[in-house]
Amino acid sequence: EVQLVESGGGLVQPGGSLRLSCAASGFTVSSSYMTWVRQAPGKGLEWVSFLYSGGSADYADSVKGRFTIARDNSKNTLYLQMNSLRAEDTAVYYCARKTTGGVYWGQGTLVTVSS
Amino acid sequence: NFMLTQPHSVSESPGKTVTISCTGSSGSIASNYVQWYQQRPGGAPTTVIYEDNQRPSGVPDRFSGSIDSSSSSASLSISGLKPEDEADYYCQSYDSNNRWVFGGGTKLTVL
Repeated sequence: EVQLVESGGGLVQPGGSLRLSCAASGFTVSSSYMTWVRQAPGKGLEWVSFLYSGGSADYADSVKGRFTIARDNSKNTLYLQMNSLRAEDTAVYYCARKTTGGVYWGQGTLVTVSS
Repeated sequence: NFMLTQPHSVSESPGKTVTISCTGSSGSIASNYVQWYQQRPGGAPTTVIYEDNQRPSGVPDRFSGSIDSSSSSASLSISGLKPEDEADYYCQSYDSNNRWVFGGGTKLTVL
């Protein structure tokens, strides 16, 4: 069974850093198209970043230069390193896997940026 | 920038059919696949339609997707509405750089 479990969220001060993890089971992260999507409180979905199986990645303009997507093949885990965090980065962050049969989502982890 | 526009809310009675539209801002919405996601209150999104009109296993055939190239719009139809269909629905496609683009979401109320 495919499972995605996010962790690493929490409260962080503006300007701080946080690393989110997405532990995968039932498939291999290194062979998959993985993505991060976020949702600010009471708002809609916003794409953050994707990582192709081949290693290329892209980012939304709102996070480019501050966030980095990566994977650890030995741990079958996807990461999102978030630096220089701002109040507007406050959101639930979901990792998802895009396949030929649709997109599979994790349950999300909440990041709150506040002093 | 490519944008997708959805109605803010729709409502319909149980047993009826409702259609949610998703209109692309430029170019042809048929140029890239459209996905539809359901998000129940307090829950994570789930896929109900992918690649314009495909249903993932486990999604009932009451859910269907379509594309109208002439109006650059996609539609999600839900027939035989049930109370558990009450949720937010998001369309999603891609821009010219393959970045994901989401519609603003539509709140479906089953009266």
